[in-house]
Amino acid sequence: ETGVTQSPTHLIKTRGQQVTLRCSSQSGHNTVSWYQQALGQGPQFIFQYYREEENGRGNFPPRFSGLQFPNYSSELNVNALELDDSALYLCASSKPGGGHPDTQYFGPGTRLTVL
Amino acid sequence: AQSVTQLDSQVPVFEEAPVELRCNYSSSVSVYLFWYVQYPNQGLQLLLKYLSGSTLVKGINGFEAEFNKSQTSFHLRKPSVHISDTAEYFCAVTRKTSYDKVIFGPGTSLSVIP
Repeated sequence: ETGVTQSPTHLIKTRGQQVTLRCSSQSGHNTVSWYQQALGQGPQFIFQYYREEENGRGNFPPRFSGLQFPNYSSELNVNALELDDSALYLCASSKPGGGHPDTQYFGPGTRLTVL
Repeated sequence: AQSVTQLDSQVPVFEEAPVELRCNYSSSVSVYLFWYVQYPNQGLQLLLKYLSGSTLVKGINGFEAEFNKSQTSFHLRKPSVHISDTAEYFCAVTRKTSYDKVIFGPGTSLSVIP
């Protein structure tokens, strides 16, 4: 069983640029959630995708957007990068159902640095 | 809205000593509770979760946690720590009615001293 993978592992961008981060969910999982983890802080929920539709969103501006594909992989896009966007971006996949939240399995993250 | 407080940002403990990492939450609705561990330069790994039933939950690596509804707490414990337990630990909650997002606490850094 393949775990959650993310690419790239590290990325350096400059202010104003756009970035796309990618996530492949664990086999059989149809839900992907994205989190931003700033240095020394807990992860903050960005949004979740379930069967290709956005299923919930945290307090992030519209320049944070996402996609989920038919194979349940996902992308996180950030436009007009700001210095505060520098963080570890975590993707988690799960398979909700049965009346309980299934465990979210996290990928290793993408470290984004904005200069 | 839900929120999570982890009262200790850093906890140093000697090897083979017991440890307790504290977590309190605030929510107007019923929640599920989780503890995750993050080793340096890695993603998060689930240690244990409380969904319902027995308030004492056992997880991986010898950790356990007890849900206390009246005190809105979910403290994590281990009777004897090992060097390999050195990591960042996050308490988290999600609503029972709509588990579309997980709210994490700020984390506790556990340092095991040889």
